[in-house]
Amino acid sequence: GQQVMQIPQYQHVQEGEDFTTYCNSSTTLSNIQWYKQRPGGHPVFLIQLVKSGEVKKQKRLTFQFGEAKKNSSLHITATQTTDVGTYFCAGRETGGFKTIFGAGTRLFVKA
Amino acid sequence: DVKVTQSSRYLVKRTGEKVFLECVQDMDHENMFWYRQDPGLGLRLIYFSYDVKMKEKGDIPEGYSVSREKKERFSLILESASTNQTSMYLCASSTRGGPDYGYTFGSGTRLTVV
Repeated sequence: GQQVMQIPQYQHVQEGEDFTTYCNSSTTLSNIQWYKQRPGGHPVFLIQLVKSGEVKKQKRLTFQFGEAKKNSSLHITATQTTDVGTYFCAGRETGGFKTIFGAGTRLFVKA
Repeated sequence: DVKVTQSSRYLVKRTGEKVFLECVQDMDHENMFWYRQDPGLGLRLIYFSYDVKMKEKGDIPEGYSVSREKKERFSLILESASTNQTSMYLCASSTRGGPDYGYTFGSGTRLTVV
């Protein structure tokens, strides 16, 4: 069945450094979503990408969807302590109904 | 502000008990989901429903059942709780049509089975 792999599992950065998390699917996706979960909180929807090669930005966050629609990335420029948490990607298989979540990347930011 | 409300934040139950986890959404969403979240495993889909009285098995339905008698309410039932069902349970909802705003999650229920 469909699998969504996310790396790295953890990332420790110094405040001001950049951060990237990668998401890879075993099958072609119709869309990819990204969520952020603060420590002790619940996942909160950030964005959805649907087009091959699509790039979207939200302030310091840049989201990309691969040309083959099987991979995606989230890049944070100049991390801040408010960026701490776990970032999840979630992909829906082409022609499918279910959205499958990656295991998440937990970001630690040291001030 | 749109909301998904889960009835309990923390629950402690004994092995063998029947456990009900309730979820209510006020967004008139068609789709509702139950996930469990465990460290290192991410979110795993237990059951989902895309309409009243409809239900579909997710990836890990064993030991669980669900009920959706009303559009706004989706209940997860642990027929006979076991210690390996100790986990964080997250309910989510989404709309079928129109702009896709992703899933809206509830705050979660941390269930401990002793």
